[in-house]
Amino acid sequence: SQQGEEDPQALSIQEGENATMNCSYKTSINNLQWYRQNSGRGLVHLILIRSNEREKHSGRLRVTLDTSKKSSSLLITASRAADTASYFCATAHSAPRTGFQKLVFGTGTRLLVSP
Amino acid sequence: DARVTQTPRHKVTEMGQEVTMRCQPILGHNTVFWYRQTMMQGLELLAYFRNRAPLDDSGMPKDRFSAEMPDATLATLKIQPSEPRDSAVYFCASGLAQGQGIGFGEGSWLTVV
Repeated sequence: SQQGEEDPQALSIQEGENATMNCSYKTSINNLQWYRQNSGRGLVHLILIRSNEREKHSGRLRVTLDTSKKSSSLLITASRAADTASYFCATAHSAPRTGFQKLVFGTGTRLLVSP
Repeated sequence: DARVTQTPRHKVTEMGQEVTMRCQPILGHNTVFWYRQTMMQGLELLAYFRNRAPLDDSGMPKDRFSAEMPDATLATLKIQPSEPRDSAVYFCASGLAQGQGIGFGEGSWLTVV
């Protein structure tokens, strides 16, 4: 079963507005990552936040992590039409037998940014 | 620009046929993942390898699916026999180390009729 659940499932905003997407997960993680997927394409890694970090920035992206609530948020500021895509959170867990990191993806948020 | 390469990009096949999807990971990456994406189930992890050894394939139906890494530059995912419910996009991804992001290929779009 998938680890992450994202909210909202779909988000429609105007250019220039901020977009906030949330991700909740169930078990302890090593890190949490956000990916973007344009229609018909593969996923692209955006940003990674480690379990001991609370906030991270990259350009117009801001990610927060609250391990006590098992949740994360992705904020895209000053959105552009080109930001239209699906956004996925992915949680990294240590596999029980091998200890190696296993990456499990959430359900995704479809973002539509209108000009 | 390093990227994961997948073939075929699109495949339409009849039920019962064997399907083989291939993946060339990013040069130097030692971890390879196979994911399946459908509208209903989203992204499901099928299997992953480290240094060519399978670490976990618990997400993969064993009766018809198999995944291998014959060498460091090639990973394969085989379905035999294929069924209509296997219709999905299959993504290969590779990574270098734990605690970093992974790079995805463009996917193999499989339709089984």
